Amino acid sequence: GAVVSQHPSRVICKSGTSVKIECRSLDFQATTMFWYRQFPKQSLMLMATSNEGSKATYEQGVEKDKFLINHASLTLSTLTVTSAHPEDSSFYICSARWGAGDGTQYFGPGTRLLVL
Amino acid sequence: GDSVTQMEGPVTLSEEAFLTINCTYTATGYPSLFWYVQYPGEGLQLLLKATKADDKGSNKGFEATYRKETTSFHLEKGSVQVSDSAVYFCALSDQGAQKLVFGQGTRLTINP
Repeated sequence: GAVVSQHPSRVICKSGTSVKIECRSLDFQATTMFWYRQFPKQSLMLMATSNEGSKATYEQGVEKDKFLINHASLTLSTLTVTSAHPEDSSFYICSARWGAGDGTQYFGPGTRLLVL
Repeated sequence: GDSVTQMEGPVTLSEEAFLTINCTYTATGYPSLFWYVQYPGEGLQLLLKATKADDKGSNKGFEATYRKETTSFHLEKGSVQVSDSAVYFCALSDQGAQKLVFGQGTRLTINP
């Protein structure tokens, strides 16, 4: 149980284009989803927290107009990187949880974005 | 604010060796504690967790005990395998908080 998927797993795009990444909870209803960014050999950096039906809460320093997050249903959240540039190249990971509970988050397999 | 500190890596061991990865934390209240594992090119997988003092989390031969007096949650395994090679993250979730606070990760390599 508690499976989270991401699509696509890998994407290459040209500078200036927008890229959408989907995160789905496959066997549970995710009241809260999280988006992280991970640089090589580093820990995860939380970008934003989204609750179903509400606007996402962004961490300090994360541009909300650059990284658009939508959590339209209890099983789907999307991250859109708008007007991507090479510095946006990274590994993006989503996670999901239901309720408050003990804080356990279940992670997706990640999406590697390369902007040329 | 809350924080998690892990022993610095990388850690390299031979197969069947004993493993300890140290993790200490700073938090207000009574956090839940987690160990996640990340294999190359993948997301994080929950390895084990403990939600209150003296609880022991265990999974796949790994275990960690929530020590409130030393604010620690060290990960141990009695006999590692090559397949345990990965990056291990210690994390906490404070009461009422939605967020996980991660340590910097420890890269483990097991040689045959």
